[in-house]
Amino acid sequence: DTAVSQTPKYLVTQMGNDKSIKCEQNLGHDTMYWYKQDSKKFLKIMFSYNNKELIINETVPNRFSPKSPDKAHLNLHINSLELGDSAVYFCASSQELHRVYGYTFGSGTRLTVV
Amino acid sequence: KQEVTQIPAALSVPEGENLVLNCSFTDSAIYNLQWFRQDPGKGLTSLLLIQSSQREQTSGRLNASLDKSSGRSTLYIAASQPGDSATYLCAVSSGMNTGFQKLVFGTGTRLLVSP
Repeated sequence: DTAVSQTPKYLVTQMGNDKSIKCEQNLGHDTMYWYKQDSKKFLKIMFSYNNKELIINETVPNRFSPKSPDKAHLNLHINSLELGDSAVYFCASSQELHRVYGYTFGSGTRLTVV
Repeated sequence: KQEVTQIPAALSVPEGENLVLNCSFTDSAIYNLQWFRQDPGKGLTSLLLIQSSQREQTSGRLNASLDKSSGRSTLYIAASQPGDSATYLCAVSSGMNTGFQKLVFGTGTRLLVSP
C-alpha cells in the first residue's frame, strides 16, 4: 500500500552508462515531480508533470529525460552518466487542482556513478 | 525567486527539552508550508502541513506556526526524545507564472537529541 514507490532504491553504475529510475503513485494525484538531493543534502526540483504534460523543467541537462506514460507514473532516464550525477533522486506527487493537500515523497533512489 | 532558509543548521539538545526550529521565506505569496522529517539514508516523512490561510497546525508533540506576512514559520517540538533525532526540512509551495505550483525546500536543521 506504498503511496509513492521508486525503483531501484540503490543504483551503482559506471560513467558513460545510461540508466532509468521508475516512480509510481497510487494516490490518484495529477502531478508528479523529480527532486535531486545533492551531497550537501539540499533538495531541488528537476521536473514536474501534470496529467502527463511537462510543466516544470529547471534547467536540467538534456541528458536527463523524464517520461510520463500516464498520470500515475513518472520515470527518469539519464544518458551518459557523469560523476556529478551522483545524488539521491526523489519522486513526489501532489494534487495540483486542490492545493490544500501537500506533497508525498518516495523513499529515494541513491545513484552512485563510479 | 522564492528562497527558504532554516536556522539553526544544527542543534544538539538533551532529552526532555522543548525546542524551536525556524524557517523563513522571501516571497509571502505561498499556497502552503510543509514540514518534513528525513532520517539518515531515508526518504521524507511529512510532519505538518499549514495552509496559507492558517496560523498553526498541531500533531502530538509537534506544533507548527505560520506568519505569512513576515515570511516565517516555526516548528515547536515538546519534550524532545532521542527518536526525534533527524533532519527537519521546511518547504513552501509557491505559484509560478505558468499557473502551477512548485515546492521549494529550505536548507534543513539537523537535530540530535541525546539521552
